[in-house]
Amino acid sequence: SSELTQDPAVSVALGQTVRITCQGDSLRTYYASWYQQKPGQAPILVIYGKNNRPSGIPDRFSGSTSGNTASLTITGAQAEDEADYYCNSRDSSGDHLVFGGGTKLTVL
Amino acid sequence: QVQLQESGPGLVKPSQTLSLTCTVSGGSISSGGYYWNWIRQRPGKGLEWIGYIYFTGSTYYNPSLKSRVTISVDRSKNQFSLKLSSVTAADTAVYFCARENYGENLDYWGLGTLVTVSS
Repeated sequence: SSELTQDPAVSVALGQTVRITCQGDSLRTYYASWYQQKPGQAPILVIYGKNNRPSGIPDRFSGSTSGNTASLTITGAQAEDEADYYCNSRDSSGDHLVFGGGTKLTVL
Repeated sequence: QVQLQESGPGLVKPSQTLSLTCTVSGGSISSGGYYWNWIRQRPGKGLEWIGYIYFTGSTYYNPSLKSRVTISVDRSKNQFSLKLSSVTAADTAVYFCARENYGENLDYWGLGTLVTVSS
């Protein structure tokens, strides 16, 4: 399969913890990477690999994988975390890239 | 610091060919291990992978677009380019170029450029 599936929308109360998931067969072979996108901006990488954060990404962002499901967790969500989040990986063949449909995170 | 910047016409007529260029600075497009991608985002929609090129010139494309897409590289100018033929209004989107560490992440992105298909 070459698809990654995400919930369209998730909400979290300010300061609480939220998990955004991404399902796909390719995740049994490749780690997901996660991107945050705010309106009118390019996506930025927030998590990749087993659980790696690029420089400048707050440590409240973390990632994990179990079977065919990757998760992005935000521990202590802040107002500035409100954004669209996309997962991405190679497909099972390794030749193509695939994106999840995106999850719109609302911080209440 | 690697930077990518898209350039090209913002308006293309239906049935014509969309042409965009991504200029890479702060790093060489000929560095092994990196794949140079085109990704688009239709208005209000998610990210859609179009295809990538490796510095050797090998390419892979999204099967849904493969018949209309060509990605090429100009190592002398540190640029790679996208051509999408026979465009329709459905190809109206923000087009991004991005660098991929194979199988790991898309670590650098351009700001994106809006291309509108309209007569």
